Amino acid sequence: GAGVSQSPRYKVAKRGQDVALRCDPISGHVSLFWYQQALGQGPEFLTYFQNEAQLDKSGLPSDRFFAERPEGSVSTLKIQRTQQEDSAVYLCASSLAPTSQPQHFGDGTRLSIL
Amino acid sequence: GQQVMQIPQYQHVQEGEDFTTYCNSSTTLSNIQWYKQRPGGHPVFLIQLVKSGEVKKQKRLTFQFGEAKKNSSLHITATQTTDVGTYFCAGPLMRSGGSNYKLTFGKGTLLTVNP
Repeated sequence: GAGVSQSPRYKVAKRGQDVALRCDPISGHVSLFWYQQALGQGPEFLTYFQNEAQLDKSGLPSDRFFAERPEGSVSTLKIQRTQQEDSAVYLCASSLAPTSQPQHFGDGTRLSIL
Repeated sequence: GQQVMQIPQYQHVQEGEDFTTYCNSSTTLSNIQWYKQRPGGHPVFLIQLVKSGEVKKQKRLTFQFGEAKKNSSLHITATQTTDVGTYFCAGPLMRSGGSNYKLTFGKGTLLTVNP
């Protein structure tokens, strides 16, 4: 596709359930980022991949959060034992080069934990 | 704590009025990027400034990067209803061993325009 695709667009889960969020970056983009955006806030960095290598996971809030990009393309963000404070929009972005370049964002997954 | 700050948090204008949002970082930025997010949408890249004191224009939008590379501004001349949205500044914080890919975003300025 022409842009970054994320699925599902909306996810409702009960507290304690595990969730998996998918990101399809722009074809050929080396860099892939995950962000968490709370209501009324700017996106906050979670993790960064360069191809299949996860080079930075310093923004992941806890060890319940796990991300992977096994073949250097599609990425999955997994949250285990979800808690209410995990409710947010999870944005994926990709960029062509490994360095600081314009990032192309997907529409995000709005996660609601009941 | 908050390392990239934006003011104002909200701005409501009449169509045709000008609008400015300011971005300040506690740490020198290697570059500054501006994004626009429409209500219910995702951030869309507008521009990147790299050089100290740089000024760039896109039609009615003027972007500036401060001499110390710690602040930036976005000015919109004669706002239109299509300008509605939240404007974010973001940049990689320059510090010892820091990366140049990790963007720190401000909280954004929500602009609403009354037709």
